[in-house]
Amino acid sequence: EPEVTQTPSHQVTQMGQEVILRCVPISNHLYFYWYRQILGQKVEFLVSFYNNEISEKSEIFDDQFSVERPDGSNFTLKIRSTKLEDSAMYFCASTVGAGELFFGEGSRLTVL
Amino acid sequence: QQQVKQSPQSLIVQKGGISIINCAYENTAFDYFPWYQQFPGKGPALLIAIRPDVSEKKEGRFTISFNKSAKQFSLHIMDSQPGDSATYFCAASKAAGNKLTFGGGTRVLVKP
Repeated sequence: EPEVTQTPSHQVTQMGQEVILRCVPISNHLYFYWYRQILGQKVEFLVSFYNNEISEKSEIFDDQFSVERPDGSNFTLKIRSTKLEDSAMYFCASTVGAGELFFGEGSRLTVL
Repeated sequence: QQQVKQSPQSLIVQKGGISIINCAYENTAFDYFPWYQQFPGKGPALLIAIRPDVSEKKEGRFTISFNKSAKQFSLHIMDSQPGDSATYFCAASKAAGNKLTFGGGTRVLVKP
């Protein structure tokens, strides 16, 4: 069964460092998302991406965040200068369009 | 207006019992209401979804009830099993495949 894959599964970084989280969406999907989940809290929308550009972003997705689809398969989330409050599980999701949103298993980011 | 409120935060039910989780939304533009199941260390996975043109949808032991006038919907898990122990999130979006607004989650524990 096709799935969304994310790497790394866990990353520990120092405050102020840059982090790149990687995702490989399902191959025929066209819409891509990043969500985050702070430990024990709800899943929050960060950004949606379609046709090589951001289609929508939340208030959380400030200038420290960026997304990119550098090739035909990868979808990345970059945090330029990490803060303690960026510690969370980050989920990538994709969909073909008007259908189910498929989530990856997440990348746990710990900022020290 | 974008919030989805979910209750209870946690639920303990005996094997064979019924688990009931409730959600309420405010945005009348929401047109798609999925429920996601999340096991520890995993991403959310779609369990069942409903659109507001029907009042109930059943898939196996899982049933969604939808009350459009009250802007409320609920998940019923019949004959709950220990394997159903997970966190359940309700969500809402303006269409299937669009960005999801999640409820706060309900941690369900089914005791053998």
